[in-house]
Amino acid sequence: DAMVIQNPRYQVTQFGKPVTLSCSQTLNHNVMYWYQQKSSQAPKLLFHYYDKDFNNEADTPDNFQSRRPNTSFCFLDIRSPGLGDAAMYLCATSRAGIETQYFGPGTRLLVL
Amino acid sequence: EDQVTQSPEALRLQEGESSSLNCSYTVSGLRGLFWYRQDPGKGPEFLFTLYSAGEEKEKERLKATLTKKESFLHITAPKPEDSATYLCAVQGTTDSWGKLQFGAGTQVVVTP
Repeated sequence: DAMVIQNPRYQVTQFGKPVTLSCSQTLNHNVMYWYQQKSSQAPKLLFHYYDKDFNNEADTPDNFQSRRPNTSFCFLDIRSPGLGDAAMYLCATSRAGIETQYFGPGTRLLVL
Repeated sequence: EDQVTQSPEALRLQEGESSSLNCSYTVSGLRGLFWYRQDPGKGPEFLFTLYSAGEEKEKERLKATLTKKESFLHITAPKPEDSATYLCAVQGTTDSWGKLQFGAGTQVVVTP
């Protein structure tokens, strides 16, 4: 089945230690998104890629970076995680920007 | 700025007790309204897209409706497996690429 895959499902890191989260998709969608979701809150868009074009949200901290080496993969890099960055990180894809977004299972990040 | 408000925040139902969730929105021009289901510790699962006032969509015990200011998700004769958080999101015409604005969700618990 076509799907959005995120690895790892759970990630524990230390304060200030860089961490990378991975997302891959078999849907062949053009757009890939990264969201941050904290407990009982709405998902918050961090950035998205439309093909190779990177689009950062204005309020996304510089601590968060992303890479998309090819159509299928997208990475979220947190350069120096703080305690406030502990959250669920969701990857989503859509065929085009105006179309339905499909989400992966998420990566739960814990910062010690 | 697009805004989405969901009510109630939490809903506890007996199995078989039908109810409705509300999603009120303000958007300059509506391109689409989306409903997702999110189980604890997982990513949102797409349910419906509604595009214009008067539109209705159904899936099993769920029915979504849309007016010019709000959407309702009706749960008919719910079962315990319908327990989840239901997220509403709108996509306005202001952004050319279709950014989603999410509500905080309604947490539904269905008891046997």
